[in-house]
Amino acid sequence: QKEVEQDPGPLSVPEGAIVSLNCTYSNSAFQYFMWYRQYSRKGPELLMYTYSSGNKEDGRFTAQVDKSSKYISLFIRDSQPSDSATYLCAMRTTLANQGGKLIFGQGTELSVKP
Amino acid sequence: DTAVSQTPKYLVTQMGNDKSIKCEQNLGHDTMYWYKQDSKKFLKIMFSYNNKELIINETVPNRFSPKSPDKAHLNLHINSLELGDSAVYFCASSQGTGGRETQYFGPGTRLLVL
Repeated sequence: QKEVEQDPGPLSVPEGAIVSLNCTYSNSAFQYFMWYRQYSRKGPELLMYTYSSGNKEDGRFTAQVDKSSKYISLFIRDSQPSDSATYLCAMRTTLANQGGKLIFGQGTELSVKP
Repeated sequence: DTAVSQTPKYLVTQMGNDKSIKCEQNLGHDTMYWYKQDSKKFLKIMFSYNNKELIINETVPNRFSPKSPDKAHLNLHINSLELGDSAVYFCASSQGTGGRETQYFGPGTRLLVL
């Protein structure tokens, strides 16, 4: 079983829809939670970052972390065709010997149709 | 100005060959990483270097040998290439490994072993 599970999709929605992307994880030592966006044939770029449990909002994007359920979510409001990309959740522990190691989910491929 | 750059972008080679991928970052970061992304978009860390010292080696076959000549460069040499090495290899960098730092990814090197 992978440490981080993410539905790979693909997910196709019409423009303007609310998108919900989710990951579950098994390691209770994870404290830092991130969402990366990866456009086709590009490197991943950090979209949202959350420490421990709680919500964080940035424009049309909201990240939620529920550590009790080991579940994280990314919501995209008013989705745009330019949001079409693969979204990867990532997480890491605070353990000093982990050297910044990020554990990624498989990524969800999102397509927003005009 | 590209923050994290990789060369080459594409690499097509025969089984058994030896090849190198180079990475350079101009962000002044002290930590660099190599990740491998398979055909299902699963991104997994291979190595991490902090101030030119290896701090993570994720059970990667010893055919893969990273080298960091200085803090701004991290190269990856692969001996005796196998079909299963076909993937996209991403270099990344960050300032520190304490947990809150952002990892910046390069554009990737697409390796195809025939």
